[in-house]
Amino acid sequence: GAGVSQSPSNKVTEKGKDVELRCDPISGHTALYWYRQSLGQGLEFLIYFQGNSAPDKSGLPSDRFSAERTGGSVSTLTIQRTQQEDSAVYLCASSFYRTITYEQYFGPGTRLTVT
Amino acid sequence: QKEVEQDPGPLSVPEGAIVSLNCTYSNSAFQYFMWYRQYSRKGPELLMYTYSSGNKEDGRFTAQVDKSSKYISLFIRDSQPSDSATYLCAMSASGTGNQFYFGTGTSLTVIP
Repeated sequence: GAGVSQSPSNKVTEKGKDVELRCDPISGHTALYWYRQSLGQGLEFLIYFQGNSAPDKSGLPSDRFSAERTGGSVSTLTIQRTQQEDSAVYLCASSFYRTITYEQYFGPGTRLTVT
Repeated sequence: QKEVEQDPGPLSVPEGAIVSLNCTYSNSAFQYFMWYRQYSRKGPELLMYTYSSGNKEDGRFTAQVDKSSKYISLFIRDSQPSDSATYLCAMSASGTGNQFYFGTGTSLTVIP
């Protein structure tokens, strides 16, 4: 079946503009994760959804970052007033299980460049 | 101190060699240990996971966890050029929620 898809695959934006990144998880997967991967850095956890709820938003780097998930499926990560330090690959992952979610399936990522 | 430390490499080996990839960690509460493989411009894919201590084998891959030393390893036998990728370790105490900590990844190249 189809894997996790993300769009756009690449996004170049000017500093100060808002961007919206989209994630389509695998059908039936209840858990959804957003991570950020910068050069030379490990994956940085941003936010986790179980269904439409985000129990913990503490990983979001600042209040310019927000995320939502509707219908237990598609999720959108929004970055307002982008800064150059936001440049990174944003990865989405989904997991079927409700309780133990280590088996995560990742999308190809959105490569964000802020100029 | 980072939760998870991983030597970034790069590591270059000839085809057929045995490869050893390692991570250390500081949180003794970690119980779930994962290894991901990431090809260039792709998302990571889960290779293996281990719960608690011990070894786990899957084909040419063996994962080892030594909780007393807070050290995990991934061994690749008979390495192939197709194994060339970045390998990320990841750990979690609860196996769910926000508690996943990733290493920075080790870049591996297998030379034909």
